[in-house]
Amino acid sequence: ETGVTQTPRHLVMGMTNKKSLKCEQHLGHNAMYWYKQSAKKPLELMFVYSLEERVENNSVPSRFSPECPNSSHLFLHLHTLQPEDSALYLCASSQEGILAEGGIGSYNEQFFGPGTRLTVL
Amino acid sequence: QKEVEQNSGPLSVPEGAIASLNCTYSDRGSQSFFWYRQYSGKSPELIMSIYSNGDKEDGRFTAQLNKASQYVSLLIRDSQPSDSATYLCAVFYTGGFKTIFGAGTRLFVKA
Repeated sequence: ETGVTQTPRHLVMGMTNKKSLKCEQHLGHNAMYWYKQSAKKPLELMFVYSLEERVENNSVPSRFSPECPNSSHLFLHLHTLQPEDSALYLCASSQEGILAEGGIGSYNEQFFGPGTRLTVL
Repeated sequence: QKEVEQNSGPLSVPEGAIASLNCTYSDRGSQSFFWYRQYSGKSPELIMSIYSNGDKEDGRFTAQLNKASQYVSLLIRDSQPSDSATYLCAVFYTGGFKTIFGAGTRLFVKA
């Protein structure tokens, strides 16, 4: 496996179900992200993990619960979702760092997985 | 609030023409700038990164950065129908260690 992988690719769930989305990165990065992308809307950052610690939580409802057991794996646990939660859920990873002025490198480039298309009935 | 602004488009250009996509950002404390291409129903794909003022060329793509004016642009030369997609501008803010994405510009290349 290379890059960033996500499973499942498609998920249909009822409002009372509990499911989990899985993301795995094979790039040796130190940061991972969950984004939500609804139809015709921009990317919405949900959670950021840097060095396995959650550093960002953008007022996401508690029915979404992230977990980052190590730097390569990220989960998004879902329970009692609403139909408006139907969207494309994207995982990304990056190598965080500060680039010295005039320096070269590829810090903070985010690489995305293929996404999970979630439908909540 | 840090913002990244893009014209939503759609931008329509004929095949073989130059497509010019623009992006402005609000915070001077930003360090890294990125362009992503997203086909309908797919995830964003990184196509260009730029960190210093000036131009950076990669094949048919040229990214231009002007930190004084707080804008970054993407030029696509010899546009092809396969370039039809939404292009996302992203800016990494050093202060908050955060990447902000623009809403994207839809590009149509007519054959």
